[in-house]
Amino acid sequence: AQSVAQPEDQVNVAEGNPLTVKCTYSVSGNPYLFWYVQYPNRGLQFLLKYITGDNLVKGSYGFEAEFNKSQTSFHLKKPSALVSDSALYFCAVRVRGDSSYKLIFGSGTRLLVRP
Amino acid sequence: GAGVSQSPSNKVTEKGKDVELRCDPISGHTALYWYRQSLGQGLEFLIYFQGNSAPDKSGLPSDRFSAERTGGSVSTLTIQRTQQEDSAVYLCASSLGVTGNSDTQYFGPGTRLTVL
Repeated sequence: AQSVAQPEDQVNVAEGNPLTVKCTYSVSGNPYLFWYVQYPNRGLQFLLKYITGDNLVKGSYGFEAEFNKSQTSFHLKKPSALVSDSALYFCAVRVRGDSSYKLIFGSGTRLLVRP
Repeated sequence: GAGVSQSPSNKVTEKGKDVELRCDPISGHTALYWYRQSLGQGLEFLIYFQGNSAPDKSGLPSDRFSAERTGGSVSTLTIQRTQQEDSAVYLCASSLGVTGNSDTQYFGPGTRLTVL
């Protein structure tokens, strides 16, 4: 079965420090990988995705993620955190060739950036 | 440009009543998806539309749930005889297509359903 794991319920970081939000996946084929962010009482906002090619993907608001096939990981990173980055982050996977095109989401990681 | 819109933003209903949730996708997007977000279950896929057809309904939790899409645009998710376990935020998403760079799903703000 396809699955996504976000091992940390919460990540705390000081403003200005680098941040990492972890994601690992388990799929039977080649994955498309996504990161979304959710602010309170809002829907999901797309941050970035990996399809193929360069393993380092750059996205919105200075975020980036690195695809690591051998470790089946797609960790989200940012060199310098802002208080406004505090939100709920979701990793998601879609399997290439899956005719459903549905996204399978991780359980989410709450990021708290303290001033 | 306009994003995905959903109505109502909040819906409170009594157990046993029927509810309809509406989704207006981004103009020109051929694919439309419904998901449910709840505390216990996280984010779950419900149904996927390509045009007006639903090739994948596998996520609908019971036959009380149904959805349709008309004109390749607006979609309605209907829940009959609501139960308290149906309480959740129902999210709609749309994508331009389903391959390569066109498959990014853009989400609406959601409808928060509370069943008393």
